[in-house]
Amino acid sequence: EAQVTQNPRYLITVTGKKLTVTCSQNMNHEYMSWYRQDPGLGLRQIYYSMNVEVTDKGDVPEGYKVSRKEKRNFPLILESPSPNQTSLYFCASSLSFRGSTDTQYFGPGTRLTVL
Amino acid sequence: GQSLEQPSEVTAVEGAIVQINCTYQTSGFYGLSWYQQHDGGAPTFLSYNALDGLEETGRFSSFLSRSDSYGYLLLQELQMKDSASYFCAVRERDMRFGAGTRLTVKP
Repeated sequence: EAQVTQNPRYLITVTGKKLTVTCSQNMNHEYMSWYRQDPGLGLRQIYYSMNVEVTDKGDVPEGYKVSRKEKRNFPLILESPSPNQTSLYFCASSLSFRGSTDTQYFGPGTRLTVL
Repeated sequence: GQSLEQPSEVTAVEGAIVQINCTYQTSGFYGLSWYQQHDGGAPTFLSYNALDGLEETGRFSSFLSRSDSYGYLLLQELQMKDSASYFCAVRERDMRFGAGTRLTVKP
């Protein structure tokens, strides 16, 4: 089954404790990205990657890191989480960003609470 | 940069037609997309317009006019299950979403 998986689905942590949210897709997609969703603000892109070893900042990259060492995986790293990073996070992938279609497939989401 | 404006809420009755507008300010983009998100769920792709004009997919249609910096999503024969949030989005290398329109379908 074609899918994007994220882990963990729920996480409660404390300020300053490093964490990683994993994301994996099995569709051989080139383009992957991370979003955060906050009430009234819609989805805001944190980082994106157009292919292996190619990553770029999105709209709200501060406090986050990513890596793309393999095509299927795109982990999101919070080196020192703060309460303002409490949010719902989505990973997504699409075939490419240049195509005639633009279907992004989203993971199920990770609800993060930073105390 | 890009900013997208869409209404925050729309209410309609079952069987009706509803149009959700999206206006944007951007220096250039590949196309305009629409996504649906039910409460507690992940966004799912609905439609994409790379070129001006109308794209139809079943009960849903989407329209784009680059000259007017405007697009819309049209939902026909509304069903209760269409109650959800709808987001427009533009893609350059990055991707930007509107804040979303919450559609409530009433019996």
